[in-house]
Formats: sequence, C-alpha cells, structure tokens
Amino acid sequence: AQSVTQPDIHITVSEGASLELRCNYSYGATPYLFWYVQSPGQGLQLLLKYFSGDTLVQGIKGFEAEFKRSQSSFNLRKPSVHWSDAAEYFCAVGPPTGGFKTIFGAGTRLFVKA
Amino acid sequence: ETGVTQSPTHLIKTRGQQVTLRCSSQSGHNTVSWYQQALGQGPQFIFQYYREEENGRGNFPPRFSGLQFPNYSSELNVNALELDDSALYLCASSQKAGGFTDTQYFGPGTRLTVL
Repeated sequence: AQSVTQPDIHITVSEGASLELRCNYSYGATPYLFWYVQSPGQGLQLLLKYFSGDTLVQGIKGFEAEFKRSQSSFNLRKPSVHWSDAAEYFCAVGPPTGGFKTIFGAGTRLFVKA
Repeated sequence: ETGVTQSPTHLIKTRGQQVTLRCSSQSGHNTVSWYQQALGQGPQFIFQYYREEENGRGNFPPRFSGLQFPNYSSELNVNALELDDSALYLCASSQKAGGFTDTQYFGPGTRLTVL
C-alpha cells in the first residue's frame, strides 16, 4: 500500500539549532516527493520537490532535503532554525507520472524555543 | 500572476445541509484538486478535475461532488453533511500537459464546521 510516514508528531528545537524532519514512504516505484509547510490556519506552501537527478534538493527559506532510495526516505533539513519556522511540515508523495492523488503524511509540528 | 483563492474562508452548517465551496485556480493552470484536512491530520485527496472532467477520485462517498468551469475555477459540493465533514478543505491547482501534471499550488482553504 502507498503511504507516507512522518515518525515525529512534534519536535522542539532551539532557535539557531539545526533541524531534521524525517519522512519515509512506501510506494511501488520512485515517486515524486514533496515537502510542504503550513502555518496555523493557512494553506500549504511548497518548500521543495524531488523528481529525479541530484538527490540533495534545495528549497526555499534555507531548507534542503535528501532523497535516499535505499531507505525510502526524504528527510528535510535546515542548518539554523528561526522562530518564524514554527509551523506544521508535511511530506508528500505523488505518482512518477506526476498524476493525481498526492499522498500526505500526518505532519510534524515544529516548535522553536528562544 | 494571481495565486489560488478559495471562498468562503469559514463556514458553519448543520448536519444534513448542503454546502458549496469555491476555488479559483492560479493563472495558466488547467487542473484543480480538492483535499480534506481534518484537525491534526494531513490532507486527504478527494478528487481532481482536468478540463472540466473528473480525472481521479479518492475514497470519498458520492455525496462529495465537484465541477470545473471553462475558466478552470472549481466548486466542491457536499450533500447531507455529517459531523465528520468538519475540516479544512484545500484546493490545489496545477498545469497538466502531455500526461504529466506539474507541481500543485494550494489555496488558503475553507474551514467548514458542521454542528
């Protein structure tokens, strides 16, 4: 079955510290992979996406993610977290043809402490 | 270039009523997808419309229906509302060409509360 697992329901990080959010997926083939961020009461903003090629993907707001095929993982990282990064983060997968039915993980809530 | 917009922002209905949510896609996009996001969960795919036709559907009952118009805007209709329909409804637009659908861009959502 196709699924996305974000093992951490919530994470607390000190401002200025590094961040890694985990994402594992189950899919029949290598899917398209996405990370979205959602601020309270808002829609989803795309941080970055992986379709093919270089497995280290750079995104907006200083985020990057690394695709590891052998581990079926697509973890999101940021070297130095800012208070404004506090939000909910969603990993998502889509079919390799880029079709419909994007599947989302349950999300990881990031708290940033001063 | 305008982004994806949705209306209304918030809506309160009672069980058994019907509701229509609206979405205007991003300029140049011909595909609209709808998602339901229950509190504390990730979005779940409801269906997608491409050039005014339903192009795929998730595990939602037939009382969830939709329309896409020639200008690619879209409506989500839900009949016989149930308490569990309370959620944030997200619309996402994208450009589909040659069998390939590009990245989805999401609107801010409509918060539906069913009492």
